[in-house]
Amino acid sequence: EPEVTQTPSHQVTQMGQEVILRCVPISNHLYFYWYRQILGQKVEFLVSFYNNEISEKSEIFDDQFSVERPDGSNFTLKIRSTKLEDSAMYFCASNGGRNRHEQYFGPGTRLTVT
Amino acid sequence: QKEVEQDPGPLSVPEGAIVSLNCTYSNSAFQYFMWYRQYSRKGPELLMYTYSSGNKEDGRFTAQVDKSSKYISLFIRDSQPSDSATYLCAMSDDYKLSFGAGTTVTVRA
Repeated sequence: EPEVTQTPSHQVTQMGQEVILRCVPISNHLYFYWYRQILGQKVEFLVSFYNNEISEKSEIFDDQFSVERPDGSNFTLKIRSTKLEDSAMYFCASNGGRNRHEQYFGPGTRLTVT
Repeated sequence: QKEVEQDPGPLSVPEGAIVSLNCTYSNSAFQYFMWYRQYSRKGPELLMYTYSSGNKEDGRFTAQVDKSSKYISLFIRDSQPSDSATYLCAMSDDYKLSFGAGTTVTVRA
């Protein structure tokens, strides 16, 4: 069964450093999302992406964040200058477009900012 | 008032029992309702999807939506130890999902 994959599974970085989190959505899916989950808190929407542009973003997704689909398979989330409060699980999700509410999530990347 | 409220539990039941989970919400624009299962340190796994009010059954799982009360439920029949996980409700009026806090369920063998 096809699935969303994410790398790395765990990323440790120092405050102020740039990080790139990578996702490979399900093949033929057209809509891509990033969510995050701070330990003990709810899963929160960050951004949605379709046709090579952002379709919606939350208040969390400020100028420090960017997304890109550099090729036909990868979808990346970049944090330019990490803060301690960016420490969280980051989940990538995708869906095929027929039903955009059926979003399939990857296993997540645990980001630890020290 | 929080947009989506879900009792975090924890909920512990014996094997074979019916597990009953629910969420309430405040945004009347929500039309799409999902239940996800999340194992520890894993990504949410889509279990059920329902549009608007009504019931949906899939094997041992039944999802109910009552839009007039802004209340959704998930029932798990004949629960198994492998059902032990955190269950998240999620809902949407466009394409971003709003999640509940999740209810942690333990099914005792």
